[in-house]
Amino acid sequence: QVQLVESGGGVVQPGGSLRLSCAASGFTFSSYGMHWVRQAPGKGLEWVTFIRYDGSNKYYADSVKGRFTISRDISKNTLYLQMNSLRAEDTAVYYCAKAGGEVTPYAFDIWGQGTMVTVSS
Amino acid sequence: QSALTQPPSASGSPGQSVTISCTGTSSDVGGYNHVSWYQQHPGKAPKLMIYEVSKRPSGVPDRFSGSKSGTTASLTVSGLQAEDEADYYCSSYAGMGLWVFGGGTKLTVL
Repeated sequence: QVQLVESGGGVVQPGGSLRLSCAASGFTFSSYGMHWVRQAPGKGLEWVTFIRYDGSNKYYADSVKGRFTISRDISKNTLYLQMNSLRAEDTAVYYCAKAGGEVTPYAFDIWGQGTMVTVSS
Repeated sequence: QSALTQPPSASGSPGQSVTISCTGTSSDVGGYNHVSWYQQHPGKAPKLMIYEVSKRPSGVPDRFSGSKSGTTASLTVSGLQAEDEADYYCSSYAGMGLWVFGGGTKLTVL
C-alpha cells in the first residue's frame, strides 16, 4: 500500500544540523511532488517546503528559507530535508506528505507518521 | 505567509451538525479553489478529508462537506459521531509554490 516512513529525527543543539529522510513506497515516487509539514508540540500544522515531481523547483516557508533544503533521490524513492542553523523554534514533529495526483495536486493526500526533532542545549 | 484563521474549538452532540470556518485573504482562500481540510486524532498523522473546497476522497463519509464564500471556507460535519472528535485543519494554496494552514479547530462531540 501507499506508505511514507520518516526517519532521522533526534535531539540537536541550537545552531546544529540534522537530515531527515522519508522513504516512499506503493506509488511512483518520481511522478509526484512532495512536501514537508511540521507541528510544534501542542501547536498546529505549518507548511515547510515543497519539491516538484522532477525536482526542478523547490519552495520554502519564510521561516526556514536559507536554512533548510529539500531534495529527492528517485533511485532510492526517498525525500530528504537538510536542516541547518537549527533554532529552538524548529522543535516539532516533521511529516512528509505526498502531493495529490491529477485530481488533487494542491492537497496533501498521504502523510507519514512523523519524526520528532528537538532543538535544545 | 500568515496562517488562516480558524476558531480554536467547536462542539456538537451526536447526530447534530457543526460547521468550522477558515478565513484567509484574497491571496490564498479567496484567490484559489485549492482549499483542503485535514482531520487529526491525538498522536496520529493528519488525514485528508476534503480537497478543492468541496470534493471528498474515496473512503471519506459523505457526512463531511466543504464550501467556500469569498475569503472564507467552511467544513460541515453532519450527523456527528463520537469518532469525529479530533482536530481539524484547513489549508490553502497561496500561489508561487506556497501553502498555508489554519491554526486548527478542536472538535468535541458532547
